[in-house]
Amino acid sequence: DAMVIQNPRYQVTQFGKPVTLSCSQTLNHNVMYWYQQKSSQAPKLLFHYYDKDFNNEADTPDNFQSRRPNTSFCFLDIRSPGLGDAAMYLCATSRDGGTAEAFFGQGTRLTVV
Amino acid sequence: SQQGEEDPQALSIQEGENATMNCSYKTSINNLQWYRQNSGRGLVHLILIRSNEREKHSGRLRVTLDTSKKSSSLLITASRAADTASYFCATVYYNQGGKLIFGQGTELSVKP
Repeated sequence: DAMVIQNPRYQVTQFGKPVTLSCSQTLNHNVMYWYQQKSSQAPKLLFHYYDKDFNNEADTPDNFQSRRPNTSFCFLDIRSPGLGDAAMYLCATSRDGGTAEAFFGQGTRLTVV
Repeated sequence: SQQGEEDPQALSIQEGENATMNCSYKTSINNLQWYRQNSGRGLVHLILIRSNEREKHSGRLRVTLDTSKKSSSLLITASRAADTASYFCATVYYNQGGKLIFGQGTELSVKP
Protein backbone atom coordinates (compact mmCIF):
# COMPACT_ATOMS: atom_id res chain seq x y z
CA ASP A 1 0.00 0.00 0.00
CA ALA A 2 1.41 3.35 -1.04
CA MET A 3 2.05 5.52 2.00
CA VAL A 4 3.39 8.66 0.35
CA ILE A 5 1.57 9.46 -2.85
CA GLN A 6 2.62 12.08 -5.34
CA ASN A 7 0.43 13.35 -8.11
CA PRO A 8 0.83 13.51 -10.95
CA ARG A 9 3.71 11.15 -11.77
CA TYR A 10 4.50 13.16 -14.89
CA GLN A 11 3.73 16.81 -15.42
CA VAL A 12 4.35 18.88 -18.52
CA THR A 13 3.97 22.62 -18.15
CA GLN A 14 4.64 25.62 -20.31
CA PHE A 15 7.43 28.06 -19.61
CA GLY A 16 6.11 30.62 -17.15
CA LYS A 17 2.82 28.86 -16.45
CA PRO A 18 2.20 28.18 -12.75
CA VAL A 19 2.14 24.55 -11.77
CA THR A 20 1.28 22.71 -8.55
CA LEU A 21 2.55 19.34 -7.47
CA SER A 22 0.84 17.46 -4.69
CA CYS A 23 1.83 15.00 -2.03
CA SER A 24 -0.31 13.08 0.42
CA GLN A 25 0.58 10.69 3.21
CA THR A 26 -1.27 8.08 5.22
CA LEU A 27 1.42 7.80 7.90
CA ASN A 28 0.45 10.76 10.07
CA HIS A 29 4.08 11.88 10.11
CA ASN A 30 4.81 15.33 11.44
CA VAL A 31 7.65 16.15 9.05
CA MET A 32 7.22 16.56 5.30
CA TYR A 33 9.97 17.37 2.81
CA TRP A 34 10.19 18.55 -0.77
CA TYR A 35 13.31 17.77 -2.79
CA GLN A 36 14.39 18.64 -6.30
CA GLN A 37 16.52 16.05 -8.07
CA LYS A 38 18.15 16.59 -11.43
CA SER A 39 19.67 13.88 -13.53
CA SER A 40 22.65 12.13 -11.90
CA GLN A 41 22.53 14.47 -8.90
CA ALA A 42 21.59 14.09 -5.25
CA PRO A 43 18.18 15.20 -4.00
CA LYS A 44 18.35 18.85 -3.04
CA LEU A 45 16.17 19.96 -0.15
CA LEU A 46 13.88 22.84 -1.08
CA PHE A 47 11.95 23.13 2.18
CA HIS A 48 10.40 21.08 4.93
CA TYR A 49 7.66 21.28 7.50
CA TYR A 50 7.94 20.27 11.10
CA ASP A 51 4.27 20.14 11.99
CA LYS A 52 3.05 23.55 10.81
CA ASP A 53 6.45 25.19 11.01
CA PHE A 54 7.77 25.95 7.55
CA ASN A 55 11.54 25.80 6.97
CA ASN A 56 12.82 27.24 3.74
CA GLU A 57 16.34 26.50 2.54
CA ALA A 58 18.41 29.63 2.00
CA ASP A 59 19.14 28.79 -1.63
CA THR A 60 15.60 27.83 -2.62
CA PRO A 61 14.44 30.29 -5.29
CA ASP A 62 11.47 32.53 -4.48
CA ASN A 63 9.78 30.95 -7.49
CA PHE A 64 9.12 27.90 -5.31
CA GLN A 65 6.40 28.02 -2.68
CA SER A 66 4.75 25.43 -0.51
CA ARG A 67 1.55 24.87 1.42
CA ARG A 68 0.64 22.32 4.04
CA PRO A 69 -3.07 22.73 4.78
CA ASN A 70 -3.16 19.73 7.11
CA THR A 71 -0.98 16.85 8.31
CA SER A 72 -1.76 14.66 5.33
CA PHE A 73 -1.24 16.99 2.38
CA CYS A 74 1.56 19.16 1.11
CA PHE A 75 1.83 21.12 -2.13
CA LEU A 76 4.70 22.52 -4.14
CA ASP A 77 3.85 25.56 -6.23
CA ILE A 78 6.19 26.77 -8.94
CA ARG A 79 5.00 30.25 -9.82
CA SER A 80 6.81 30.77 -13.11
CA PRO A 81 8.60 27.61 -14.23
CA GLY A 82 11.75 28.03 -16.22
CA LEU A 83 13.58 25.47 -18.30
CA GLY A 84 16.01 25.00 -15.42
CA ASP A 85 13.20 23.83 -13.18
CA ALA A 86 12.73 20.64 -15.16
CA ALA A 87 13.55 17.88 -12.69
CA MET A 88 12.18 15.09 -10.53
CA TYR A 89 10.42 16.44 -7.46
CA LEU A 90 10.37 14.14 -4.48
CA CYS A 91 8.15 14.34 -1.43
CA ALA A 92 9.05 12.54 1.78
CA THR A 93 7.75 12.21 5.33
CA SER A 94 9.27 11.35 8.66
CA ARG A 95 7.97 10.94 12.19
CA ASP A 96 9.39 12.24 15.42
CA GLY A 97 11.05 15.26 13.90
CA GLY A 98 13.42 13.36 11.66
CA THR A 99 14.71 10.92 14.23
CA ALA A 100 13.31 8.02 12.20
CA GLU A 101 13.60 6.97 8.59
CA ALA A 102 12.04 9.02 5.83
CA PHE A 103 9.49 7.56 3.44
CA PHE A 104 9.56 8.78 -0.13
CA GLY A 105 6.93 9.03 -2.80
CA GLN A 106 7.63 7.92 -6.35
CA GLY A 107 8.23 11.48 -7.43
CA THR A 108 6.80 13.80 -10.06
CA ARG A 109 8.85 14.27 -13.22
CA LEU A 110 8.36 17.87 -14.36
CA THR A 111 9.00 18.86 -17.95
CA VAL A 112 8.96 22.52 -18.96
CA VAL A 113 8.31 23.28 -22.61
CA SER B 1 26.29 24.05 2.41
CA GLN B 2 25.70 21.20 4.81
CA GLN B 3 25.71 18.63 2.08
CA GLY B 4 28.09 15.82 2.83
CA GLU B 5 30.48 14.16 0.49
CA GLU B 6 30.51 10.58 -0.68
CA ASP B 7 33.19 8.54 -2.28
CA PRO B 8 33.68 6.98 -4.59
CA GLN B 9 31.31 8.76 -6.97
CA ALA B 10 31.12 5.59 -9.04
CA LEU B 11 32.01 2.00 -8.28
CA SER B 12 31.99 -0.99 -10.62
CA ILE B 13 32.43 -4.51 -9.27
CA GLN B 14 31.70 -8.12 -10.15
CA GLU B 15 28.88 -10.13 -8.60
CA GLY B 16 29.97 -11.73 -5.36
CA GLU B 17 32.44 -8.98 -4.47
CA ASN B 18 31.95 -6.57 -1.59
CA ALA B 19 31.17 -2.89 -2.17
CA THR B 20 32.17 -0.14 0.24
CA MET B 21 30.90 3.42 0.06
CA ASN B 22 31.96 6.26 2.32
CA CYS B 23 30.20 9.38 3.49
CA SER B 24 31.48 12.43 5.34
CA TYR B 25 29.47 15.18 6.99
CA LYS B 26 30.16 18.52 8.57
CA THR B 27 28.57 19.10 11.95
CA SER B 28 27.06 17.14 14.83
CA ILE B 29 24.27 14.88 13.73
CA ASN B 30 21.24 13.28 15.33
CA ASN B 31 21.39 10.35 12.91
CA LEU B 32 22.72 9.27 9.54
CA GLN B 33 20.70 7.30 7.03
CA TRP B 34 21.50 5.36 3.88
CA TYR B 35 19.16 5.18 0.90
CA ARG B 36 19.13 3.38 -2.42
CA GLN B 37 17.67 4.73 -5.63
CA ASN B 38 17.14 2.74 -8.77
CA SER B 39 17.24 4.75 -11.97
CA GLY B 40 14.33 7.15 -12.24
CA ARG B 41 12.62 5.85 -9.11
CA GLY B 42 12.00 7.03 -5.58
CA LEU B 43 14.41 6.51 -2.71
CA VAL B 44 14.28 3.44 -0.51
CA HIS B 45 15.52 3.58 3.07
CA LEU B 46 18.21 1.03 3.95
CA ILE B 47 19.58 1.72 7.43
CA LEU B 48 19.46 4.48 10.05
CA ILE B 49 22.31 4.78 12.54
CA ARG B 50 22.08 7.13 15.50
CA SER B 51 24.90 9.33 16.72
CA ASN B 52 25.45 7.13 19.78
CA GLU B 53 25.75 3.96 17.69
CA ARG B 54 28.89 2.72 15.99
CA GLU B 55 27.72 -0.14 13.81
CA LYS B 56 24.48 -1.60 12.46
CA HIS B 57 23.67 -4.58 10.30
CA SER B 58 20.75 -5.44 8.07
CA GLY B 59 21.05 -8.58 5.98
CA ARG B 60 24.03 -8.08 3.66
CA LEU B 61 24.39 -4.45 4.69
CA ARG B 62 26.75 -3.15 7.35
CA VAL B 63 26.96 0.50 8.33
CA THR B 64 29.57 2.07 10.56
CA LEU B 65 29.65 5.54 12.05
CA ASP B 66 32.70 7.40 13.36
CA THR B 67 31.54 10.64 14.92
CA SER B 68 35.10 11.73 15.72
CA LYS B 69 35.90 11.68 12.00
CA LYS B 70 32.37 12.72 10.98
CA SER B 71 32.19 9.81 8.59
CA SER B 72 30.18 6.70 7.83
CA SER B 73 30.59 3.73 5.56
CA LEU B 74 28.15 1.34 3.92
CA LEU B 75 29.38 -2.17 3.12
CA ILE B 76 27.36 -4.44 0.85
CA THR B 77 28.66 -8.00 1.05
CA ALA B 78 28.34 -10.63 -1.66
CA SER B 79 26.90 -8.14 -4.12
CA ARG B 80 24.33 -9.08 -6.73
CA ALA B 81 23.43 -7.54 -10.07
CA ALA B 82 20.18 -6.37 -8.44
CA ASP B 83 22.24 -4.15 -6.10
CA THR B 84 23.05 -1.92 -9.07
CA ALA B 85 21.72 1.51 -8.05
CA SER B 86 22.72 4.87 -6.64
CA TYR B 87 23.38 4.95 -2.91
CA PHE B 88 23.04 8.10 -0.84
CA CYS B 89 23.82 8.96 2.73
CA ALA B 90 21.64 11.55 4.41
CA THR B 91 22.07 13.31 7.71
CA VAL B 92 19.70 14.80 10.27
CA TYR B 93 21.38 17.55 12.23
CA TYR B 94 20.53 18.58 15.76
CA ASN B 95 18.17 21.48 16.34
CA GLN B 96 17.23 21.95 12.72
CA GLY B 97 13.65 20.76 12.82
CA GLY B 98 14.30 17.37 11.30
CA LYS B 99 16.08 18.68 8.21
CA LEU B 100 17.39 15.76 6.12
CA ILE B 101 20.32 16.56 3.86
CA PHE B 102 21.66 14.18 1.21
CA GLY B 103 25.23 13.52 0.22
CA GLN B 104 26.30 13.42 -3.40
CA GLY B 105 25.83 9.69 -3.81
CA THR B 106 27.73 6.70 -5.14
CA GLU B 107 26.66 5.02 -8.35
CA LEU B 108 27.20 1.28 -7.95
CA SER B 109 27.32 -1.08 -10.90
CA VAL B 110 27.45 -4.81 -10.20
CA LYS B 111 28.28 -6.89 -13.24
CA PRO B 112 27.05 -10.46 -13.56
